Amino acid sequence: QKEVEQDPGPLSVPEGAIVSLNCTYSNSAFQYFMWYRQYSRKGPELLMYTYSSGNKEDGRFTAQVDKSSKYISLFIRDSQPSDSATYLCAMSPYSNTGFQKLVFGTGTRLLVSP
Amino acid sequence: ETGVTQTPRHLVMGMTNKKSLKCEQHLGHNAMYWYKQSAKKPLELMFVYNFKEQTENNSVPSRFSPECPNSSHLFLHLHTLQPEDSALYLCASSQDTWTDIGTGELFFGEGSRLTVL
Repeated sequence: QKEVEQDPGPLSVPEGAIVSLNCTYSNSAFQYFMWYRQYSRKGPELLMYTYSSGNKEDGRFTAQVDKSSKYISLFIRDSQPSDSATYLCAMSPYSNTGFQKLVFGTGTRLLVSP
Repeated sequence: ETGVTQTPRHLVMGMTNKKSLKCEQHLGHNAMYWYKQSAKKPLELMFVYNFKEQTENNSVPSRFSPECPNSSHLFLHLHTLQPEDSALYLCASSQDTWTDIGTGELFFGEGSRLTVL
């Protein structure tokens, strides 16, 4: 079983739709949860991060973590063609001894059509 | 130049060639990373350097040899590669590896697309 599972898509939606992107994980030690966005022919860039459970909102983006279900989500409201990209979830356990290895999902490719 | 710069952007090499990938960061960070990105697979951590010292080697075959002469530069020397090594190689940097990972902020370059024939 992979530590992090993510549907590769592609997920195609019309402009203005609400998008839900999800990841499940198996390691209950994960405490930090991130979403990276990767445009075609570019490197990933951090979009949002959350610690432990709960919601975090930033503009049109909301990140949600449900540790009891080992499930994280990224919601995009009023999606735009410029949101078309691959979205990678990433997570890590807490460590006070130094390096904390990020575990990535495979990424979900999102296509928003005008 | 700003951010993380990788060269070359594209590289085609035969299995007996020797080539190198270069990464330079202009962010004043102390940690640098090499990741491998293959289609339909998660980002795979290869090496980590913190203050020029290698701190992680994720069981990478010896045909990949990293070098970090200073905190701003990172190289990946390639020798006797296999076709399955064809992938996008991403360099990243962060303030250091001891910073609260809660921000999770790795700054990535645009990658070097490697094709091994």
